[in-house]
Amino acid sequence: ETGVTQTPRHLVMGMTNKKSLKCEQHLGHNAMYWYKQSAKKPLELMFVYNFKEQTENNSVPSRFSPECPNSSHLFLHLHTLQPEDSALYLCASSQALVAPQHFGDGTRLSIL
Amino acid sequence: AQKITQTQPGMFVQEKEAVTLDCTYDTSDQSYGLFWYKQPSSGEMIFLIYQGSYDEQNATEGRYSLNFQKARKSANLVISASQLGDSAMYFCAMSTYNQGGKLIFGQGTELSVKP
Repeated sequence: ETGVTQTPRHLVMGMTNKKSLKCEQHLGHNAMYWYKQSAKKPLELMFVYNFKEQTENNSVPSRFSPECPNSSHLFLHLHTLQPEDSALYLCASSQALVAPQHFGDGTRLSIL
Repeated sequence: AQKITQTQPGMFVQEKEAVTLDCTYDTSDQSYGLFWYKQPSSGEMIFLIYQGSYDEQNATEGRYSLNFQKARKSANLVISASQLGDSAMYFCAMSTYNQGGKLIFGQGTELSVKP
């Protein structure tokens, strides 16, 4: 059983669609993160949740809406995305905020 | 401002040899953590090694070791006995307590291991 599981692995959607990315961690961690990685670039932090509370929103457009119902689950709701939003979206979790983060395999998102 | 710099966009190493990937960082915080991650072409980010700013010993994890030089603000990754499966992108990253654990990544180094 992998520590951090992301679904779906791949997603193709139109600009008017609404979809959600799901992340689940089985490590008992307290912090969860969403990152965006565009082609051949380093990761950009999007959101941080610590004990289910959002502690960081890194100037992310409102068409990305995170949800953290509990410490084990994190969602990223997507609506009216733009072509430049096509990227790899990675979820991570850590025991505490300054601790090694463990990543899921990512969702590769393509916006048509 | 917090910053991570990786000056080697690409590196080549012969199989079974050791290789050093450079990383320098900039922060005014006293308490921080340094991390190295491996990202194969399949996309997943694999945590390799961690060094805390107050750790006096260099971190080691199997074939990976972190050469931590605090005064020079460098945290180079050393991979010993390279294997073909080590070919990947390698990212150096840092987080600090004052930044709420926000993980800042460098630009990455693409390592290619030659048989």
